[in-house]
Amino acid sequence: GQQVMQIPQYQHVQEGEDFTTYCNSSTTLSNIQWYKQRPGGHPVFLIQLVKSGEVKKQKRLTFQFGEAKKNSSLHITATQTTDVGTYFCAGGGLSGDKIIFGKGTRLHILP
Amino acid sequence: SAVISQKPSRDICQRGTSLTIQCQVDSQVTMMFWYRQQPGQSLTLIATANQGSEATYESGFVIDKFPISRPNLTFSTLTVSNMSPEDSSIYLCSVGWDYGYTFGSGTRLTVV
Repeated sequence: GQQVMQIPQYQHVQEGEDFTTYCNSSTTLSNIQWYKQRPGGHPVFLIQLVKSGEVKKQKRLTFQFGEAKKNSSLHITATQTTDVGTYFCAGGGLSGDKIIFGKGTRLHILP
Repeated sequence: SAVISQKPSRDICQRGTSLTIQCQVDSQVTMMFWYRQQPGQSLTLIATANQGSEATYESGFVIDKFPISRPNLTFSTLTVSNMSPEDSSIYLCSVGWDYGYTFGSGTRLTVV
């Protein structure tokens, strides 16, 4: 079945450094989504990418969807303590269909 | 996006008993999803619940253990039956919309 792999599993960075997490699928995805889960919280939707090669930005966050629609990345520039949490990618089918989550990357910020 | 009310937020249960988790959505949705998240782990899909039909369960999850009800387009319940300590986890419901999925706040279940 469809699998979504995500690396790294953990990342410790100094505050102000950049951070990147990568997501790879065994199959072509119709879309990919990114979620952030703060410690003790529930996943919160960040963004959805649909088009091949798509790049979207949200302030310090940059999201990319690969040309083959099998991989994606999330890059955070100049991390802040508020960025702490686990970032999940999730590969999906059509709108409203089930999505498969990657294992997540837990980001820890060192002051 | 939809707003989901999930309850209870947490519970401690005796082994062998059952717990029913409820999710109420503020708008009508075709499909609702139930996930399990072990501490420090990713989300694992348990089942997809459509209104008016039986839920579709993922591999490793069965209806006898996790019966689901979906009486209307805004409500669903998940029951964790005959609980054992291995069922201790966070259970979340979710609904999809055009640009992503919204999650309930989760139910933290501890089985003792």
